[in-house]
Amino acid sequence: GAGVSQTPSNKVTEKGKYVELRCDPISGHTALYWYRQSLGQGPEFLIYFQGTGAADDSGLPNDRFFAVRPEGSVSTLKIQRTERGDSAVYLCASSFRGAPSSYEQYFGPGTRLTVT
Amino acid sequence: AQSVAQPEDQVNVAEGNPLTVKCTYSVSGNPYLFWYVQYPNRGLQFLLKYITGDNLVKGSYGFEAEFNKSQTSFHLKKPSALVSDSALYFCAVRDPNYGNEKLTFGTGTRLTIIP
Repeated sequence: GAGVSQTPSNKVTEKGKYVELRCDPISGHTALYWYRQSLGQGPEFLIYFQGTGAADDSGLPNDRFFAVRPEGSVSTLKIQRTERGDSAVYLCASSFRGAPSSYEQYFGPGTRLTVT
Repeated sequence: AQSVAQPEDQVNVAEGNPLTVKCTYSVSGNPYLFWYVQYPNRGLQFLLKYITGDNLVKGSYGFEAEFNKSQTSFHLKKPSALVSDSALYFCAVRDPNYGNEKLTFGTGTRLTIIP
């Protein structure tokens, strides 16, 4: 079946601009996660949704970052007043809660954000 | 707090030889442990996990990992390496306390299999 998809695959924006990154999780997965991966590093957790609500947003670096999941499926990560330090690959993952095999998270290909 | 250490940035192994990629972890309780692989320009692919039970877990592509609680380790292994195993490998841990869903990743180990 279809995996996690993310759009766009690449985004170049100017410092100070607003960007939106989209994630389509695997159909039927109730949990959705956003991570950020900087060059040479492992992914770092940003936010986790269970259904429509953000259950844990402790990884969001500051209030310029915001994410929504209004219908419990597609999610959008929004970054205001982008800074060069926001340049990274933004990864989305999903998982199915409620079964013993549900612990792993399945990742999308990522959106590479470059802030110039 | 939960953390993971991958002490080797780079591991080189001759094709056909056994391989080991090291991982140690720190969590407050019993850990959930994972290995992921990342190929160039592709997302992370799940390889295997340890949740509970047998300390030796088997995963995709012939990989396995051994959970060692006393050494707080979860090393990834394969008996005979293939050139196609060359990739970036990440170990991750999750503290299974209620409400904690986030994975904490190591910095990754680049595995190169030499033909």
